[in-house]
Amino acid sequence: DAGVTQSPTHLIKTRGQQVTLRCSPKSGHDTVSWYQQALGQGPQFIFQYYEEEERQRGNFPDRFSGHQFPNYSSELNVNALLLGDSALYLCASSLVARGLQETQYFGPGTRLLVL
Amino acid sequence: AQKVTQAQTEISVVEKEDVTLDCVYETRDTTYYLFWYKQPPSGELVFLIRRNSFDEQNEISGRYSWNFQKSTSSFNFTITASQVVDSAVYFCGCQGAQKLVFGQGTRLTINP
Repeated sequence: DAGVTQSPTHLIKTRGQQVTLRCSPKSGHDTVSWYQQALGQGPQFIFQYYEEEERQRGNFPDRFSGHQFPNYSSELNVNALLLGDSALYLCASSLVARGLQETQYFGPGTRLLVL
Repeated sequence: AQKVTQAQTEISVVEKEDVTLDCVYETRDTTYYLFWYKQPPSGELVFLIRRNSFDEQNEISGRYSWNFQKSTSSFNFTITASQVVDSAVYFCGCQGAQKLVFGQGTRLTINP
């Protein structure tokens, strides 16, 4: 049973560039959430996708956008990269059952460095 | 919105000692879930436990135990007879309607 997978594992970009991160959920899961974890901090919620729509969003600017595909996989896009966007980006998947979200399981993350 | 406070930034103990990681949460939701995750150096968050706000029974799983006290809004995590492999950053989380909020984490180091 494959867990949550993310690609790429590491990425180096320069300021102003755009980046796309990818996530495949755990088998049987239909919901994907994205988190940003700066060094030494706890993960911060970016947004969540369910049924191919953004279901909820954290306090992140519009430069952060996402997409969920019919197979439940998801992408996180960040435009006009800033140095402060350097972080570990974590994807988590879960299942919505009886209208309630079950436990979120996390992928290994993508380490993004913006120079 | 939820808020989670893990007051202990770092803890260092010698192997076989018992250690407790504290977690205090704030939420206005009447129904919520509490979590603990472990983050080893590899970076992946590993799920440890999820607790429903209506279930205040303490739970034990091997060397791990959790003490949920709604009266003090605390959800503490104890490792008994710690081992070097327990070294990691531990995050407590609280989830209300949808959003999961994490604390800042406690870095636990178990020395041989």
